[in-house]
Amino acid sequence: QQPVQSPQAVILREGEDAVINCSSSKALYSVHWYRQKHGEAPVFLMILLKGGEQKGHEKISASFNEKKQQSSLYLTASQLSYSGTYFCGTEVMEYGNKLVFGAGTILRVKS
Amino acid sequence: KAGVTQTPRYLIKTRGQQVTLSCSPISGHRSVSWYQQTPGQGLQFLFEYFSETQRNKGNFPGRFSGRQFSNSRSEMNVSTLELGDSALYLCASSLGQGARNEQFFGPGTRLTVL
Repeated sequence: QQPVQSPQAVILREGEDAVINCSSSKALYSVHWYRQKHGEAPVFLMILLKGGEQKGHEKISASFNEKKQQSSLYLTASQLSYSGTYFCGTEVMEYGNKLVFGAGTILRVKS
Repeated sequence: KAGVTQTPRYLIKTRGQQVTLSCSPISGHRSVSWYQQTPGQGLQFLFEYFSETQRNKGNFPGRFSGRQFSNSRSEMNVSTLELGDSALYLCASSLGQGARNEQFFGPGTRLTVL
């Protein structure tokens, strides 16, 4: 079952903040976040694991609420380079050791 | 280190044909996963190979198959192509098996089925 991402799209001005949410109806082992620029491959941002462990880029912050099966990605002081589509990938306990991705959130940062 | 490479980058095929896509992972990575990306369905997991064995499989028909070689390179095959198979096919490599590892994606192969 695909996780739900919100918002579907957001437009920011440079320096503004944004939060992208990812919600699953199933119990999760982990949540991944990736960013994909147009015509390019998705790039890893962060993994959040059940139990609190996180692995990712220093400048990216995210949270994982295990009880609610929700994760949020926090983009602060946005830059033009933050533009792209953000995907969350969820590892659902019921489905085993594979990622199910959300439909993506399109982020556009304007100068 | 060189990144994940995929060949070919673009393919045009007709319905009923078959196609083989190739993926070379980052040196030292033993896991290769394949994904199909379409505007309507997003990124969908096809399968994962680790140490030459398929470890996990998504919900795709048997026309989609894959294999992994001893050097960790992987191929994906789609037989009897359908129009709906038109998509960007991405492979991703990681050090360890499974979804708890950072995945490094290749640039993808854009398949168009006419």
